[in-house]
Amino acid sequence: DQQVKQNSPSLSVQEGRISILNCDYTNSMFDYFLWYKKYPAEGPTFLISISSIKDKNEDGRFTVFLNKSAKHLSLHIVPSQPGDSAVYFCAASARGSNYKLTFGKGTLLTVNP
Amino acid sequence: ETGVTQTPRHLVMGMTNKKSLKCEQHLGHNAMYWYKQSAKKPLELMFVYSLEERVENNSVPSRFSPECPNSSHLFLHLHTLQPEDSALYLCASSQSTGPAYNEQFFGPGTRLTVL
Repeated sequence: DQQVKQNSPSLSVQEGRISILNCDYTNSMFDYFLWYKKYPAEGPTFLISISSIKDKNEDGRFTVFLNKSAKHLSLHIVPSQPGDSAVYFCAASARGSNYKLTFGKGTLLTVNP
Repeated sequence: ETGVTQTPRHLVMGMTNKKSLKCEQHLGHNAMYWYKQSAKKPLELMFVYSLEERVENNSVPSRFSPECPNSSHLFLHLHTLQPEDSALYLCASSQSTGPAYNEQFFGPGTRLTVL
């Protein structure tokens, strides 16, 4: 049973527009959430994270929003650039075992020039 | 070399072979991880080492045997694998397994095919 779900396997947006990647979770013990980006033939690289005490975290063009009541988080990329084209993974960890990340299946983002 | 490196990048082996995957981190981290990514599935945590001690074995079959001789190196010894073990094996490291050290740095992975 998947505890972290990324229901959209792929997303295509135009350069300059906003990309919104979604993630849902079922485990109420999760209190820390991360987004990783993965290019082909490379390992995932950390992008941005958010603790459950916050509802928003921003880093340049990337913003993560957390809605605890809905057990939902989203990653906004604005403006989107062709170099953002990659697979984006949502991950979560629980209090007391924060090194144990549970990942979603990923969403392939394609940003068209 | 920087970051986390893995060798080999690709490996094809028969079910009776014995092979090893190697991971090295150049980040001065104290925790290392093995993950498995099968097709159409999320990354699955296999093993976690903290200061060369195994702290997590996520119900992994004994045909996978990890070894962490020091905090910079991690091996995954493979023996009598099955075709369903074919996957991308990713190594990662983090500063610690303690609080506030969730960020893990990944290597490029080894693509394993078991015939």
